[in-house]
Amino acid sequence: KAGVTQTPRYLIKTRGQQVTLSCSPISGHRSVSWYQQTPGQGLQFLFEYFSETQRNKGNFPGRFSGRQFSNSRSEMNVSTLELGDSALYLCASSARRPSTDTQYFGPGTRLTVL
Amino acid sequence: KNEVEQSPQNLTAQEGEFITINCSYSVGISALHWLQQHPGGGIVSLFMLSSGKKKHGRLIATINIQEKHSSLHITASHPRDSAVYICAADYMNTGNQFYFGTGTSLTVIP
Repeated sequence: KAGVTQTPRYLIKTRGQQVTLSCSPISGHRSVSWYQQTPGQGLQFLFEYFSETQRNKGNFPGRFSGRQFSNSRSEMNVSTLELGDSALYLCASSARRPSTDTQYFGPGTRLTVL
Repeated sequence: KNEVEQSPQNLTAQEGEFITINCSYSVGISALHWLQQHPGGGIVSLFMLSSGKKKHGRLIATINIQEKHSSLHITASHPRDSAVYICAADYMNTGNQFYFGTGTSLTVIP
């Protein structure tokens, strides 16, 4: 089975722009979670999607949004980028909700905001 | 408050040593997860625990629900174990969203 894939792997943007990141889960997995990792804050939960519905959202501003498609692929969008949004963005998929199942992580998208 | 504390922050060991990494959490959890992150960013889920003990190869994870504490042990450590180890709590009051420890950076010297 192919693993979790994320595109693009690297991205450079400037302040004020918006960005869309993509995550393709393992085939058959219905849950996709997104995480932000920075040197200062470590790993933080962004949101979780299950069967095309956002089930949980972490403590992030409304500039961070996402969606999940019928094939379970997920996208996250960050609008009006700030310097502090520079981070590694990771997605993880699981067959069931994360509380009851092992998550498989993608390689991440490294976003740099200049 | 849903906090996770992890110790030590950094750990250097000689090859073959027994290693312990500790994780404490604050309130009731559905599960406690141990993750491994290698340089470059890739994360692998090692264990998901809600009680007792689990073992996979040279790795052992334990959890004490009453003390709100979990440990990850590595027996006969090897340089390829060098990585950052992160614990994550899935709290009952939030559910399905993880709260992460700050990670333990392990270096195993040959």
